[in-house]
Amino acid sequence: NAGVTQTPKFQVLKTGQSMTLQCAQDMNHNSMYWYRQDPGMGLRLIYYSASEGTTDKGEVPNGYNVSRLNKREFSLRLESAAPSQTSVYFCASSEAGVHSGNTIYFGEGSWLTVV
Amino acid sequence: GNSVTQMEGPVTLSEEAFLTINCTYTATGYPSLFWYVQYPGEGLQLLLKATKADDKGSNKGFEATYRKETTSFHLEKGSVQVSDSAVYFCALTNTGFQKLVFGTGTRLLVSP
Repeated sequence: NAGVTQTPKFQVLKTGQSMTLQCAQDMNHNSMYWYRQDPGMGLRLIYYSASEGTTDKGEVPNGYNVSRLNKREFSLRLESAAPSQTSVYFCASSEAGVHSGNTIYFGEGSWLTVV
Repeated sequence: GNSVTQMEGPVTLSEEAFLTINCTYTATGYPSLFWYVQYPGEGLQLLLKATKADDKGSNKGFEATYRKETTSFHLEKGSVQVSDSAVYFCALTNTGFQKLVFGTGTRLLVSP
């Protein structure tokens, strides 16, 4: 009963390094999302993929790229990490777009520190 | 635009106290409203939802009623437990809107 699985759980990067956060869901969901969570700011959407083969920017896409590799997997890449990208990152998925009230399911989070 | 405002925390209560966490929203049309809960070190879990006005969502003793006239979706529980200590997020989505918009979260601390 895995649901949404994301890796790694913890990562420390140096400024300028690159890395990819991996996410996979086993619920056959069409839509997937990447959020970041910062103190006092709630969750903010970075990118989302409404269906396999499509990706769109969210509220805070700068400094990130995404790939919807297949229906199950949606990765988030930091090309040149900056201290402002220190955050907790959550991957999520839903059967269809959340606009119709569909439930969104979250992974356990990835704690990223950029020094 | 679409936005959610929820009360600042932390909210500190003793076990068995009554809980209210306020949430108001701004949106056009008929949004769907959600409460998510985040326990320490974990991801967010859906607690309850309501998809149309006057609907009441409920789960695990928590309730929230979608009030269009006051644009509110306040979370309530009659008797909190220590295990309810967590961060609670109010959120909304709207027709044609492909994302959830979250409030800033309210931390609840329940002491024995």
